[in-house]
Amino acid sequence: ELKVEQNPLFLSMQEGKNYTIYCNYSTTSDRLYWYRQDPGKSLESLFVLLSNGAVKQEGRLMASLDTKARLSTLHITAAVHDLSATYFCAVDISFGNEKLTFGTGTRLTIIP
Amino acid sequence: GAVVSQHPSRVICKSGTSVKIECRSLDFQATTMFWYRQFPKQSLMLMATSNEGSKATYEQGVEKDKFLINHASLTLSTLTVTSAHPEDSSFYICSARESGGVFYEQYFGPGTRLTVT
Repeated sequence: ELKVEQNPLFLSMQEGKNYTIYCNYSTTSDRLYWYRQDPGKSLESLFVLLSNGAVKQEGRLMASLDTKARLSTLHITAAVHDLSATYFCAVDISFGNEKLTFGTGTRLTIIP
Repeated sequence: GAVVSQHPSRVICKSGTSVKIECRSLDFQATTMFWYRQFPKQSLMLMATSNEGSKATYEQGVEKDKFLINHASLTLSTLTVTSAHPEDSSFYICSARESGGVFYEQYFGPGTRLTVT
């Protein structure tokens, strides 16, 4: 059974600081997704990582994937209040079926 | 960009009644749609995979007779919660994959919040 774990579950950080959210998964996969969810809302797609060593950046967020370590990271640079949300990683191991298994989520709160 | 809608966005129903939730792909055709459930402050759990013109594939532990899924066209999938009970109260989110599109892209709907009283 595929397990996807995120660390930390809760993160409270000050504006301007840097931090990293970790996503570990238990089964080989070459595709990993990062999503953002605001309270009461659905998911917003942030990144799709498709190969080992993939790195993508958008604004203050940067995601990377190490398929050998079964680890993805979401790095936040110089956090701003607007980044407060819950972040989920998701893994797809069923090639051709695209069934996603979501991580536990990280609730990020940026304190002014 | 690809847009997925859900209707209704919120629904309150009495215990024992049935509720139908619609998921539509607005500007693309979707052979495959997925239904997820999210309890408060928890992650998303895949309930079932819906394929146009065929029976849905349910995940382990999901009662197929309680959560009826119909994918009658390439743009519409419906989830019917039958004989709803308070424990079915949750946030239901659908997603859709574009037919012939990029294989790894899924587009998520805005979600439907179901409250069973």
